[in-house]
Amino acid sequence: TQLLEQSPQFLSIQEGENLTVYCNSSSVFSSLQWYRQEPGEGPVLLVTVVTGGEVKKLKRLTFQFGDARKDSSLHITAAQPGDTGLYLCAGGPDYKLSFGAGTTVTVRA
Amino acid sequence: SQTIHQWPATLVQPVGSPLSLECTVEGTSNPNLYWYRQAAGRGLQLLFYSVGIGQISSEVPQNLSASRPQDRQFILSSKKLLLSDSGFYLCAWSVAGPIQFFGPGTRLTVL
Repeated sequence: TQLLEQSPQFLSIQEGENLTVYCNSSSVFSSLQWYRQEPGEGPVLLVTVVTGGEVKKLKRLTFQFGDARKDSSLHITAAQPGDTGLYLCAGGPDYKLSFGAGTTVTVRA
Repeated sequence: SQTIHQWPATLVQPVGSPLSLECTVEGTSNPNLYWYRQAAGRGLQLLFYSVGIGQISSEVPQNLSASRPQDRQFILSSKKLLLSDSGFYLCAWSVAGPIQFFGPGTRLTVL
């Protein structure tokens, strides 16, 4: 099993501030996925990054895949209360996707 | 459109009782199906995956089992629940590549 470590574990910020969460591993991944999960619901796929150094933008969310394909980051610009949730990164063989423990993000109005 | 259903949404069961959770998908054929368990507010642990009818791979030794009697139906079962089986159970599917859709989940509490 390929381990993914996410940091920080918890993050609480004021609306309008920026934030970055990290996903790190000692293993090389062919791709990494980011999901967001709201309480009591299943995770929702946000993005898949596949190329080392790749940067993908989804509105105010920016995802980056490390050059060595061992780490990834998610940056949110001007966070809004609707961004609140558990952010999970995942990687590994398609049939055996491993998930990090997640970062719980709370955006206060 | 692709849809995934899970039921029940919540379940409270005594220790030692049996379990059956059902997952069905719509809008796709020959999906890969998965069962994950999530501890409160934490990451997901892969329990089982299936690439076709009757084909089940187990990732974690435990008192749970899975079956896939139809292409778009995946069932998670137990003969005797343990306290440690409590958690949030998620069904998911993929066609080519990583998991694209998760179901709404079943919250299981074993007392």
